[in-house]
Amino acid sequence: NAGVTQTPKFQVLKTGQSMTLQCAQDMNHEYMSWYRQDPGMGLRLIHYSVGAGITDQGEVPNGYNVSRSTTEDFPLRLLSAAPSQTSVYFCASSARQYSRYEQYFGPGTRLTVT
Amino acid sequence: EDKVVQSPLSLVVHEGDTVTLNCSYEVTNFRSLLWYKQEKKAPTFLFMLTSSGIEKKSGRLSSILDKKELFSILNITATQTGDSAIYLCAVGSSNTGKLIFGQGTTLQVKP
Repeated sequence: NAGVTQTPKFQVLKTGQSMTLQCAQDMNHEYMSWYRQDPGMGLRLIHYSVGAGITDQGEVPNGYNVSRSTTEDFPLRLLSAAPSQTSVYFCASSARQYSRYEQYFGPGTRLTVT
Repeated sequence: EDKVVQSPLSLVVHEGDTVTLNCSYEVTNFRSLLWYKQEKKAPTFLFMLTSSGIEKKSGRLSSILDKKELFSILNITATQTGDSAIYLCAVGSSNTGKLIFGQGTTLQVKP
């Protein structure tokens, strides 16, 4: 199993550009989520999904869109990049039932917006 | 508003020391508390606690939860330089699997 994979690892965008961060998992996990990590602020939840076709907002959803058309994939779209979105982005997944909070994280995408 | 607060934010110790990291929370619909270790890459899972007073242990690391006082501690005994990392506390809220993270504690262990 590859676990949770994310692409790209690094990305530089200009203000106003859009892009999609890819996330995939091969563990048949129902729950997937996106976090951003900024210095001194831990991880903040952007969006999450409890299954294919179902998504919901986290703490900091503004400027981001998600969709979940399959169990495996959960892309994060930046609609119009801003310098405030410079961050490290992590995708995570977990199974249903008791272990749903034991989330497995992808390797992260370091995004810089200039 | 749900929140998770960790203390201290950073800590420098020497190899062999014992450290205690703290995590307090105010979260509605509490389901579980988790500890993660992050070493310059993705967080890796350490413990999940759901019941008060039951210690979870893995080698030199142990953790316990107090649901009455709304806090947890993570103890690391006989620290090694490989323990240097950010330690993240998170609380699982509701039945959706949503996690709320604290700011993290950066631990540096000097030789």
